[in-house]
Amino acid sequence: AQKVTQAQTEISVVEKEDVTLDCVYETRDTTYYLFWYKQPPSGELVFLIRRNSFDEQNEISGRYSWNFQKSTSSFNFTITASQVVDSAVYFCALSGVYGGATNKLIFGTGTLLAVQP
Amino acid sequence: DAGITQSPRHKVTETGTPVTLRCHQTENHRYMYWYRQDPGHGLRLIHYSYGVKDTDKGEVSDGYSVSRSKTEDFLLTLESATSSQTSVYFCAITPGNPRGEQYFGPGTRLTVT
Repeated sequence: AQKVTQAQTEISVVEKEDVTLDCVYETRDTTYYLFWYKQPPSGELVFLIRRNSFDEQNEISGRYSWNFQKSTSSFNFTITASQVVDSAVYFCALSGVYGGATNKLIFGTGTLLAVQP
Repeated sequence: DAGITQSPRHKVTETGTPVTLRCHQTENHRYMYWYRQDPGHGLRLIHYSYGVKDTDKGEVSDGYSVSRSKTEDFLLTLESATSSQTSVYFCAITPGNPRGEQYFGPGTRLTVT
């Protein structure tokens, strides 16, 4: 079975703190993809990153970084020097094949990040 | 901007009535998806489409049907709405590679009273 677990339901930090959002996944696929999405209070879903299972290099994009470790089935997301605009629900997702060659995203339940000024 | 619109954006309806939600895309993407978002569940796949008239069920398809008669439109129908179908519905597309990232429309908030 494929599953994504985001154990942190809510995190509250003060602006400029670093924060890490955890994501643990389960899959039997040897090829798979992992994703992070951001859902700000306005409600839209914003794509942040896609990582394939063969690439374990860490990724950095500005204040955002991602740590992918196959050995622990984790794909954690760190925001450095958090800002109020980072307040949102963050979803981790795993790709799964569901019928043919199409892609099904299995989402975690999300982590609500509140950044206080 | 992935060129995805959803209509209506908000709807309140009564139990037992039929409801159709529309997803429209402007860039001829082949793959389209309908998800629902509920607290404590993240997003769950309802139905998806891999081309005109080609659709299949997702993990929570009971009570829903879909149609895709044109590349640009993917319709989700609740034949007889129930209160358990109160949710936020998102349409998504995958440009190019079907295992690529999905881009989502703005969502439709549906309330069934």
